[in-house]
Amino acid sequence: AQSVTQPDIHITVSEGASLELRCNYSYGATPYLFWYVQSPGQGLQLLLKYFSGDTLVQGIKGFEAEFKRSQSSFNLRKPSVHWSDAAEYFCAVADSGGGADGLTFGKGTHLIIQP
Amino acid sequence: KAGVTQTPRYLIKTRGQQVTLSCSPISGHRSVSWYQQTPGQGLQFLFEYFSETQRNKGNFPGRFSGRQFSNSRSEMNVSTLELGDSALYLCASSAWGSGGPRNEQFFGPGTRLTVL
Repeated sequence: AQSVTQPDIHITVSEGASLELRCNYSYGATPYLFWYVQSPGQGLQLLLKYFSGDTLVQGIKGFEAEFKRSQSSFNLRKPSVHWSDAAEYFCAVADSGGGADGLTFGKGTHLIIQP
Repeated sequence: KAGVTQTPRYLIKTRGQQVTLSCSPISGHRSVSWYQQTPGQGLQFLFEYFSETQRNKGNFPGRFSGRQFSNSRSEMNVSTLELGDSALYLCASSAWGSGGPRNEQFFGPGTRLTVL
């Protein structure tokens, strides 16, 4: 079965500093990978996704992620964070075999922005 | 285009009762998935419906059930509520065309269920 690990429960970053959120997955083949963001009281919003091809993917709000097959990782990055980036971030994997198993999510990383 | 809507947004029930949550997908979307979000277990897949048929189900007891109507609106039902059912229940819709899981899932704001 597929699984996702987000090793960092909380991360604190100063406004304007760079950010990297870690995500490791376990899956037998090349998975479909996603990063979602959840602000308080709201649903999840898709930041970016990876299916195949270029391993560096660009998303919304200035985020990017790099797929590294050798490390089974899909880390999310942003060169300069803004106070509005404070939220919960979830990495997720979907079955690329065409099944309808739904998304498997990591436990999330809570991002705190220091002024 | 209106987003995914979920009703009600908040719900308080007592143990043993049953509850029905509703989800209206984005117009034109035929796939609706349900997820449970709790602080301890995180986000977990409940089930997915497409064209009124349940296509897959997560690892939840039979007390959790759902259905989808011809207009793609979906309901989920939880019977004999337990304290551990307190959670945010999220609904997501997608077009689920030939791209399968590649189709983006759009999430609603969720229904916050509290079981006392």
